Amino acid sequence: AQKITQTQPGMFVQEKEAVTLDCTYDTSDPSYGLFWYKQPSSGEMIFLIYQGSYDQQNATEGRYSLNFQKARKSANLVISASQLGDSAMYFCAMREGPSSGNTPLVFGKGTRLSVIA
Amino acid sequence: DTGVSQDPRHKITKRGQNVTFRCDPISEHNRLYWYRQTLGQGPEFLTYFQNEAQLEKSRLLSDRFSAERPKGSFSTLEIQRTEQGDSAMYLCATMGDGYSYEQYFGPGTRLTVT
Repeated sequence: AQKITQTQPGMFVQEKEAVTLDCTYDTSDPSYGLFWYKQPSSGEMIFLIYQGSYDQQNATEGRYSLNFQKARKSANLVISASQLGDSAMYFCAMREGPSSGNTPLVFGKGTRLSVIA
Repeated sequence: DTGVSQDPRHKITKRGQNVTFRCDPISEHNRLYWYRQTLGQGPEFLTYFQNEAQLEKSRLLSDRFSAERPKGSFSTLEIQRTEQGDSAMYLCATMGDGYSYEQYFGPGTRLTVT
């Protein structure tokens, strides 16, 4: 069963606008962590933001925020004030168990974001 | 630059040849992961090391694949008798000990099997 679902293969956004990238997940473990990574064309995975399953507030990191809706099992990434440099693949990932545990990340298929000038 | 390095960045090889990739982690990171990413997909877990011990292997890691981490520092991933289906990006990621949760990824090695 797919554990991470990203339903948007591609998204377009106008420069300076906000954009939401969708992510739903599936787990029966009460303890888990959700991650978003950015992958530019160079191939390197860049960590953006983390949300723990027990965190009461939505995570924010600069222009990135994570809209965590636990009951709906969704963890959408919101990018505010898009910039041309935000054009890249974005991956949602999950780790089951404690946030500092050893279990590997499980990734979705990604969403390609294109920012238009 | 995350501090994790991988070598080579690109490798083209003929089917049937053996290849070896190297990952150098951030020096204080004792946990190391290998992932494989095929075109249009997210990375998939291959194997995990804590220090020099290989603690977990995915079913994706066939008998042709072997990974080592001697002395708990750098790691190598070897593929024997490469097949065209092995063409992918091979990513290494490392984590610190304690309460850290972020995995730091290297730039990857892109393998093309002709």
